[in-house]
Amino acid sequence: QLQLQESGPGLVKPSETLSLTCTISGGSINSGDYYWGWIRQPPGKGLEWIGSIHYSGSTYDNPSLKSRVTISIDTSKNQFSLKLTSVTAADTAVYYCARHLIVATITWHWYFDLWGRGTLVTVSS
Amino acid sequence: QSALTQPRSVSGSPGQSVTISCTGTSSDVGGYNYVSWYQHHPGEAPKLMIYDVSKRPSGVPDRFSGSKSGNTASLTISGLQTEDEADYYCCSYAGRYTGVFGTGTKVTVL
Repeated sequence: QLQLQESGPGLVKPSETLSLTCTISGGSINSGDYYWGWIRQPPGKGLEWIGSIHYSGSTYDNPSLKSRVTISIDTSKNQFSLKLTSVTAADTAVYYCARHLIVATITWHWYFDLWGRGTLVTVSS
Repeated sequence: QSALTQPRSVSGSPGQSVTISCTGTSSDVGGYNYVSWYQHHPGEAPKLMIYDVSKRPSGVPDRFSGSKSGNTASLTISGLQTEDEADYYCCSYAGRYTGVFGTGTKVTVL
């Protein structure tokens, strides 16, 4: 049974870089159809898609965050990572990683079928 | 790219039906049949309930159903049960390899 687990610092200072890793267990990140995504939820607010990556290295990003976001993948460790630069208090949120289906064979989709439990990252000095 | 609009809360008694709306634009909900719905119990991992507007993943009860008309998608929970009390979020493809989530709806079982 495939599971995802987020990890990383729970506290980041303003203007610094937020770094998180998602580790996949019970399955392989080298799944031809799936992308691997990051989603966040600020306190008291809704979900926001950050971006997604395929094991080939192909990435898609939310235009509103694109300039600050880097998503990378390490297939040897079955992990993918998020870096968000120049953080402010507005980046305080629970960050989730999820498996993201965009295209299966020639059929289009856009949904996240497996999620981690999330990790709270607070931006504060 | 604005968040899709959902009612802040809906409620119903056990056994009743509730419907959650998710309103977007012709650039997202209205333009594609790629709307999904997620159930989120705080502190737990969100769970996919509906994908591609109306399809249910294996293991999701058939009490949950999805539909779409124009720029508005809907999730209906029939035969409401206490364990259905949770936050629900819609999500839609918005073109150019981007997506957008809804504002979220709290479902309360009275």
